Amino acid sequence: ELKVEQNPLFLSMQEGKNYTIYCNYSTTSDRLYWYRQDPGKSLESLFVLLSNGAVKQEGRLMASLDTKARLSTLHITAAVHDLSATYFCAVLLETSGSRLTFGEGTQLTVNP
Amino acid sequence: NAGVTQTPKFQVLKTGQSMTLQCAQDMNHEYMSWYRQDPGMGLRLIHYSVGAGITDQGEVPNGYNVSRSTTEDFPLRLLSAAPSQTSVYFCASSRHRGSFNYGYTFGSGTRLTVV
Repeated sequence: ELKVEQNPLFLSMQEGKNYTIYCNYSTTSDRLYWYRQDPGKSLESLFVLLSNGAVKQEGRLMASLDTKARLSTLHITAAVHDLSATYFCAVLLETSGSRLTFGEGTQLTVNP
Repeated sequence: NAGVTQTPKFQVLKTGQSMTLQCAQDMNHEYMSWYRQDPGMGLRLIHYSVGAGITDQGEVPNGYNVSRSTTEDFPLRLLSAAPSQTSVYFCASSRHRGSFNYGYTFGSGTRLTVV
């Protein structure tokens, strides 16, 4: 059974600081997704990582994938308050109905 | 384009009642699915469909039925609501069956409370 673990689950940081969210998964997969969710809202796609070594950046967020280590990271550079949200990683397991298995989510709070 | 549209946004049911959560997409996506989101558990797959006329069970299918008569619509039916089905329900669709290189598009969610 595929398990996806994120850490930390809660992150409080100051504006201007850098931090990394980690996503570990237990079964081989080469498709990993990062989503953002604001309170009471839907999930917004941030990144789709399709191969080992993939790195994608959008603004202050950068995501990477290491399929050999079964690890993805979401790095936040010079955080701003608008980045406060819950971030989910999700791994695709095509052998189980193409199910997305989600991590528990990381609740990020950026303090002014 | 509207994307993925879910209705209703909020619903309160009494135990034992039945209802249908609606989901429609206008992107001609083959793949559609229903997830439920519960605190501390991320999202879990209830049912999914890889095309019109084809559905299958996900991780937590008990108490739910689905059908896919058209490419656009994928309703989720609660047969006899129970308090354990209190949750936020998301419908999601994807462009390429078997590839998913574009990820999934999620609807805005239905917040269901069963009393």
